[in-house]
Amino acid sequence: SYGLTQSPSVSVSPGQTARITCSGDALPKQYTYWYQQKAGQAPVLVIYKDMGRPSGIPERFSGSSSGTTVTLTISGVQEEDEADYYCQSPDSSGTFVVFGGGTKLTVL
Amino acid sequence: VHLVESGGGLVQPGGSLRLSCTASGFMFSTFGMHWVRQAPGKGLEWVALIWFDGDNKYYADSVRGRFTISRDNSKNTLFLQMNSLRADDTAVYYCARVSLDYGDNSLDLWGQGTLVTVSS
Repeated sequence: SYGLTQSPSVSVSPGQTARITCSGDALPKQYTYWYQQKAGQAPVLVIYKDMGRPSGIPERFSGSSSGTTVTLTISGVQEEDEADYYCQSPDSSGTFVVFGGGTKLTVL
Repeated sequence: VHLVESGGGLVQPGGSLRLSCTASGFMFSTFGMHWVRQAPGKGLEWVALIWFDGDNKYYADSVRGRFTISRDNSKNTLFLQMNSLRADDTAVYYCARVSLDYGDNSLDLWGQGTLVTVSS
């Protein structure tokens, strides 16, 4: 079955830039969405359609896409950004939802 | 604008459980709805989707034939009937709303989740 691949962890110091990638064969044809999940909380949508930012999400969150890889970039990371981040995209049929395995962002 | 899940608990392998998700603050009947689960210490796993009118339903391979998603728009409530439960169904189950603003493949509102534990 179709899968999205994320690196398990990323560590950065406060104020630095964190980049979290997600790879999948169908990504050139389908939009990707990113979710932030803090410990003990429900996920929150932080990026939609590869690079859109929902209302209320800080400007330091941005997204980009190139071929089969999409990237979530957090510029000027703050301690409150420490969380698990998941990419999500439909499969090639556009019907079934697929999540990446998640990336744990640690702010040193 | 809220989603509140209920119905989780401890159930024996082979047993059944029915989860509910009650919506408030928005027009529930115009939104598709998902169930997503998260096993302890693991990532998110999509479970099922139902269209706004209940006419179309989709399931992950891992639950197809055992779980049934349904909704009652008159009561603003989403359901997940879970039968033939197995230990690997143990997870927090979230309901989530299909976004109308950010793309109909995104989930823009999530409940707080309800824990289902399958164990003897």
